[in-house]
Amino acid sequence: KAGVTQTPRYLIKTRGQQVTLSCSPISGHRSVSWYQQTPGQGLQFLFEYFSETQRNKGNFPGRFSGRQFSNSRSEMNVSTLELGDSALYLCASSSEGGSTIYFGEGSWLTVV
Amino acid sequence: GENVEQHPSTLSVQEGDSAVIKCTYSDSASNYFPWYKQELGKRPQLIIDIRSNVGEKKDQRIAVTLNKTAKHFSLHITETQPEDSAVYFCAASKGGNDMRFGAGTRLTVKP
Repeated sequence: KAGVTQTPRYLIKTRGQQVTLSCSPISGHRSVSWYQQTPGQGLQFLFEYFSETQRNKGNFPGRFSGRQFSNSRSEMNVSTLELGDSALYLCASSSEGGSTIYFGEGSWLTVV
Repeated sequence: GENVEQHPSTLSVQEGDSAVIKCTYSDSASNYFPWYKQELGKRPQLIIDIRSNVGEKKDQRIAVTLNKTAKHFSLHITETQPEDSAVYFCAASKGGNDMRFGAGTRLTVKP
């Protein structure tokens, strides 16, 4: 079974731009969650989607948004990028009713 | 919301010694407590987890204990090896997938 796949793996953006990151969950997994990882703040929960609906949301500004498609693939978008948004963005998936989450390799975002 | 604290932030042990990492959580409704290992440049990987109806769980050299009354849980690694060197994260959730993670512990095992 293929694992969680994230694209792109690396990207560089300029302040003020916007970015879209993509995540394909493990086949059969319907829950997708997103996390931001930085050296100073650790792993922080962004949001979780289940069956195309946002089920939980962390404490991030409205510039951070996401969505999930009918095939469970998910995207997250960050608008008006700031230098502080530079981070590793991790997507994780889990099966319905399960708590174990499995991470993708992540997307490294650098904002310059 | 849930707040997870993890200690120590760094831990250095000699190969063959034991390592213990401790976490506390604030939300008594949390019922699932996984531990993840993250090697440099790689994704966090689940190494062991425990649910609130269990007090201890072991998997070879790794064990996790949970004290629901005190709201803390611990990771124990015995007979440490250099390949155990990594950052370890504890987490807590109420059954959904909005995990709240501790800040991480950088474990170094010296040969």
